Amino acid sequence: QSALTQPPSVSGSPGQSVTISCTGTSSDIGSYNRVSWYQQPPGTAPKLLIYEVSNRPSGVPDRFSGSKSGNTASLTISGLQAEDEADYYCCSYTNSITYVFGTGTKVTVL
Amino acid sequence: QVQLQQSGPGLVKPSQTLSLTCAISGDSVSSNSVGWHWIRQSPSRGLEWLGRTYYRSKWNNDYAVSVKSRISINPDTSKNQFSLQLNSVTPEDTAVYYCGRNSYGAYGYWGQGTLVTVSS
Repeated sequence: QSALTQPPSVSGSPGQSVTISCTGTSSDIGSYNRVSWYQQPPGTAPKLLIYEVSNRPSGVPDRFSGSKSGNTASLTISGLQAEDEADYYCCSYTNSITYVFGTGTKVTVL
Repeated sequence: QVQLQQSGPGLVKPSQTLSLTCAISGDSVSSNSVGWHWIRQSPSRGLEWLGRTYYRSKWNNDYAVSVKSRISINPDTSKNQFSLQLNSVTPEDTAVYYCGRNSYGAYGYWGQGTLVTVSS
């Protein structure tokens, strides 16, 4: 199972919006809504931001939103803040009864 | 509040077995609505799903193809924990290993991570 494809980096100024794409195949993202997103500051475990494509756990700001179209999922961070600087990963269930993660995207706040 | 506490050695010799344990508080390893997973992270391989154990009237396991011949994930209901064993390790198995609780296809709770180095 190949990793889901994410851009290595995205950047934006405070207050702007950035979108991170996560491209898979019809065997994972294209077939299931079990797509999740994680934020990982350096040296810490990932933190869940989005589950089932677009749902936010309690405590996650509504600046974070998720969507999916075909084989590609997206995470949008609106009103970018300095504290959002971190690595971001997507994850999907697959038809091999496994899970696969994305390659990761570093978000830089300019 | 669910908490996962990992334990196990940080250094393993090549060809030996990597063993880690994840102790669960605030939930049950026998829960029939969640799964208990192991994931690792390295600079070369990124985040890599390794496998899971879960209870749905009986115990079930699924493993990543990349490690299927070498891995075992087992629940311990008496201690409310689950474990990872990875046999015949090589330096390529050097990584930070995480345990995680999976619900609705997502990892809402993670262990603190254990850096395991494979070296003689």
